[in-house]
Amino acid sequence: DSGVTQTPKHLITATGQRVTLRCSPRSGDLSVYWYQQSLDQGLQFLIQYYNGEERAKGNILERFSAQQFPDLHSELNLSSLELGDSALYFCASSVGGADTEAFFGQGTRLTVV
Amino acid sequence: GDSVTQMEGPVTLSEEAFLTINCTYTATGYPSLFWYVQYPGEGLQLLLKATKADDKGSNKGFEATYRKETTSFHLEKGSVQVSDSAVYFCALRRNNAGNMLTFGGGTRLMVKP
Repeated sequence: DSGVTQTPKHLITATGQRVTLRCSPRSGDLSVYWYQQSLDQGLQFLIQYYNGEERAKGNILERFSAQQFPDLHSELNLSSLELGDSALYFCASSVGGADTEAFFGQGTRLTVV
Repeated sequence: GDSVTQMEGPVTLSEEAFLTINCTYTATGYPSLFWYVQYPGEGLQLLLKATKADDKGSNKGFEATYRKETTSFHLEKGSVQVSDSAVYFCALRRNNAGNMLTFGGGTRLMVKP
């Protein structure tokens, strides 16, 4: 158990809908990262938050947004869903700063039908 | 931009066989290099890492050496077990760029008894 909790584990929704994925980082970790794992794109970095502030952005679509709350949990919001958004979404957390290990949650599998 | 290339799988081996999974990278500066493992239905776990040239990371019988001259970080294990069956990801992190990871496409390893 990595200590990173993601909910829900599975999500099935229709095209055009909006969903929210939740991540609780390990106790004491200030950084949260979101990654998308899909068959065609592999594992891609989406976005990072550090202590409530956006720190870095990767290949995140404009239809997607994220935030980190004062209790350090994070939510990834996906809207106007398309079939191609079906993927495994991972959250990872780290203490923050250079050379700190990132611990991954078990992921949320999103299926858009 | 940064990129990681690893051999495509699946790699199928018999128990006690020697394992090599090739990984090469492209990045500016001096990234840290990682191998992560993903067991079925689970998140990614850090297997080993190396933070500078000629460093050797090792864990659970796996090892990889950071070769700057060939920009490589090949994963090896002398004698694989059925329990090593998983997907292995090579990744890099540029240490002055927010700590996000850039992953290779993953290599599925299947070990048969």
